[in-house]
Amino acid sequence: ETGVTQTPRHLVMGMTNKKSLKCEQHLGHNAMYWYKQSAKKPLELMFVYSLEERVENNSVPSRFSPECPNSSHLFLHLHTLQPEDSALYLCASSQDLPGGATEAFFGQGTRLTVV
Amino acid sequence: GQNIDQPTEMTATEGAIVQINCTYQTSGFNGLFWYQQHAGEAPTFLSYNVLDGLEEKGRFSSFLSRSKGYSYLLLKELQMKDSASYLCATLDSNYQLIWGAGTKLIIKP
Repeated sequence: ETGVTQTPRHLVMGMTNKKSLKCEQHLGHNAMYWYKQSAKKPLELMFVYSLEERVENNSVPSRFSPECPNSSHLFLHLHTLQPEDSALYLCASSQDLPGGATEAFFGQGTRLTVV
Repeated sequence: GQNIDQPTEMTATEGAIVQINCTYQTSGFNGLFWYQQHAGEAPTFLSYNVLDGLEEKGRFSSFLSRSKGYSYLLLKELQMKDSASYLCATLDSNYQLIWGAGTKLIIKP
């Protein structure tokens, strides 16, 4: 149990589908993140939320839409994805607002396959 | 540009010592992290260095040289469970995490 829970663990979706990834943190942290992890590539930061406000959006295509309804929950809504979007999507949280040199706690990720 | 380099894969023997290197070129520097990630699992925090020198934590140690833009993670008395990917990441001047691609460590009996 890492304190950060992601569902589902695995997801296969067609290019015309709409699905959502869910992340929940039980650590009382103020900041939450979405990362994309592709094989043999560095982690790519997608979105950052601090106290439910989006503070970072790293030129992510609009087919990815984040939502942070409260400080414990983070969603990533997916629609009309492409096969190259297949990857491991990791959620993370940290105590400090982005800018603090504190460790991040990661969820186990959602393995997404777009067919 | 910003860049983190670490070997793609390393192999070591159970009971031995292995050193995983990480070199970085980033705009500003506010510390360096090492994370461990087992296959199909979440990355987990191992260490954070912001000052030069060696930080020891049990079988794992992490070293930093800011002047050389260089860090290493040293694993002693290797166990089979140490087979994992090891991710190096730095905090740049904007406190943004810049990640390396990770080093896959394979431990053989």
